Amino acid sequence: ILNVEQSPQSLHVQEGDSTNFTCSFPSSNFYALHWYRWETAKSPEALFVMTLNGDEKKKGRISATLNTKEGYSYLYIKGSQPEDSATYLCASKAQFYFGTGTSLTVIP
Amino acid sequence: EAQVTQNPRYLITVTGKKLTVTCSQNMNHEYMSWYRQDPGLGLRQIYYSMNVEVTDKGDVPEGYKVSRKEKRNFPLILESPSPNQTSLYFCASGRGPPNEQYFGPGTRLTVT
Repeated sequence: ILNVEQSPQSLHVQEGDSTNFTCSFPSSNFYALHWYRWETAKSPEALFVMTLNGDEKKKGRISATLNTKEGYSYLYIKGSQPEDSATYLCASKAQFYFGTGTSLTVIP
Repeated sequence: EAQVTQNPRYLITVTGKKLTVTCSQNMNHEYMSWYRQDPGLGLRQIYYSMNVEVTDKGDVPEGYKVSRKEKRNFPLILESPSPNQTSLYFCASGRGPPNEQYFGPGTRLTVT
């Protein structure tokens, strides 16, 4: 089984702060790295799919980078807003091995 | 509206009573999968299907069965549910790896 690890497990930030979290994965046989956003009482929704080393993706205030050689991806949120509060999941490999997520709470 | 639907959304049942959770998607996706979500363990894949009549085990297939007779439907069958199958279940579909998946609303199952 593939080990996908995310850190930190949870995070509380003030509104307006920028923040980032990490997804680590085995670098051998890399296939793809996915980021999902999961709001409470809803379903996970895809944010980014990244396949190439050095990939950078951006959606509004959220961006992600990928380093396949060292096996990590960073998710950045610039100027956090309360609506960014959610659990952020990453998943690796073709059959979507998920990490346990980073729970973000943005305090107004 | 493009969506993945699951039924039922909530189910309380007793040990050993066979049940089926249905999953349907209207996006003509070839890939469908089932996950369970447990506290501290994250989403774990139970089964997946790359196309009609093609299914394969994920990480935690024991105690579950699936079928894919039609492209749009991918039911999850628990032949003899046990309390350790109490969990939140998600169905998902997509165009296949490495593309993203679209998740259903979830089914919360309690087995007593």
